[in-house]
Amino acid sequence: DADVTQTPRNRITKTGKRIMLECSQTKGHDRMYWYRQDPGLGLRLIYYSFDVKDINKGEISDGYSVSRQAQAKFSLSLESAIPNQTALYFCATSEGQGPNSPLHFGNGTRLTVT
Amino acid sequence: DQQVKQNSPSLSVQEGRISILNCDYTNSMFDYFLWYKKYPAEGPTFLISISSIKDKNEDGRFTVFLNKSAKHLSLHIVPSQPGDSAVYFCAPKAAGNKLTFGGGTRVLVKP
Repeated sequence: DADVTQTPRNRITKTGKRIMLECSQTKGHDRMYWYRQDPGLGLRLIYYSFDVKDINKGEISDGYSVSRQAQAKFSLSLESAIPNQTALYFCATSEGQGPNSPLHFGNGTRLTVT
Repeated sequence: DQQVKQNSPSLSVQEGRISILNCDYTNSMFDYFLWYKKYPAEGPTFLISISSIKDKNEDGRFTVFLNKSAKHLSLHIVPSQPGDSAVYFCAPKAAGNKLTFGGGTRVLVKP
């Protein structure tokens, strides 16, 4: 079983629809992150959370919101999807922030907004 | 303006030869540099890292070199194997801050 599980793996939705991407982890890590990957741009940070009561914006948070329902669950929402939100989305966890705490990623959710 | 650039989007190399992946950065506050490897349909996985106080770190077939004055680092894979075919991301970080990812280099190792 994967340590970081993302659902769904693929999703196609229409412009203007609300959509939620879910992430759960069994690693026991406090820190969780949402990234999006676009071709040639690498991974860019959308939101991150250091514990259940802590939510922080990343570099590209506009158009997104998150909810940390429990230590193990971190969901990403697009309130009104638009085509330029078509991307590959990754959830990640880490034990800490230091150099010996690399990110552990899920297998991604491919989102297409038509 | 991208702080981290991997100027070669792709690289093809023969099995057994050396793969050299390059990464340039502009932020002088970066003090730790990580490389991640990503296979299709999977998330990235941590590969190797180097602290800014070092200029070389080796782990088996993988070696990372850091040239701070040039703001340049490279990843060497010797010898390259078909299983190394993947996308590699350079990801530096500054103290207290999050990782900044480069655009990635796709490596194809031909048998």
